Amino acid sequence: QVQLQESGPGLVKPSGTLSLTCAVSGGSISSSNWWSWVRQPPGKGLEWIGEIYHSGSTNYNPSLKSRVTISVDKSKNQFSLKLSSVTAADTAVYYCARDIGADGYFDLWGRGTLVTVSS
Amino acid sequence: QSVLTQPPSVSGAPGQRVTISCTGSSSNIGAGYDVHWYQQLPGTAPKLLIYGNSNRPSGVPDRFSGSKSGTSASLAISGLQAEDEADYYCQSYDSSLSGSVFGGGTKLTVL
Repeated sequence: QVQLQESGPGLVKPSGTLSLTCAVSGGSISSSNWWSWVRQPPGKGLEWIGEIYHSGSTNYNPSLKSRVTISVDKSKNQFSLKLSSVTAADTAVYYCARDIGADGYFDLWGRGTLVTVSS
Repeated sequence: QSVLTQPPSVSGAPGQRVTISCTGSSSNIGAGYDVHWYQQLPGTAPKLLIYGNSNRPSGVPDRFSGSKSGTSASLAISGLQAEDEADYYCQSYDSSLSGSVFGGGTKLTVL
């Protein structure tokens, strides 16, 4: 059974770079799926950040595109998120998810990790 | 200001039926893209509830059903149970944004 697990620092300083990794276990990241990052500010709704295919192809939310980089490491069966120039508005629970289909849906989610932006 | 619009809250008594609407536009739902629904219990990750407008993943009770028409979609929950109290989100693809979009979420309260 495929599982996703996010990891990374829970506290990032303003203007710094948020870095998270999503480990895929029980299956291969090179399967025919896209892999996404979704975030949720405290008490608010869900926001899609971007996605990556095992080939390295990416798509990003236009509102975050200038600050986001998503990469894949097939040797470690994981994918990563980097968000630069963070502010308090980037404080959120960050989820990684498996993305199914052409106009995909997210059938599998990690438990999420809270990242707080504060000095 | 989500791309997809949902009511902030709905409520119903145990055993009743409630519906949650999700309104989009010609660049997402109206363009023919599928709508998907998620249930988020307090303190947990979202869980896929309905995919492809009306399909239930294995394990989701048939009390949950989805439909789509024009630029809108709906999630219906019949035979309400206390355990259904959660936040519900719709999601689709938007061609003008070239990516996934979510509704703002609807909090379901079981009275």
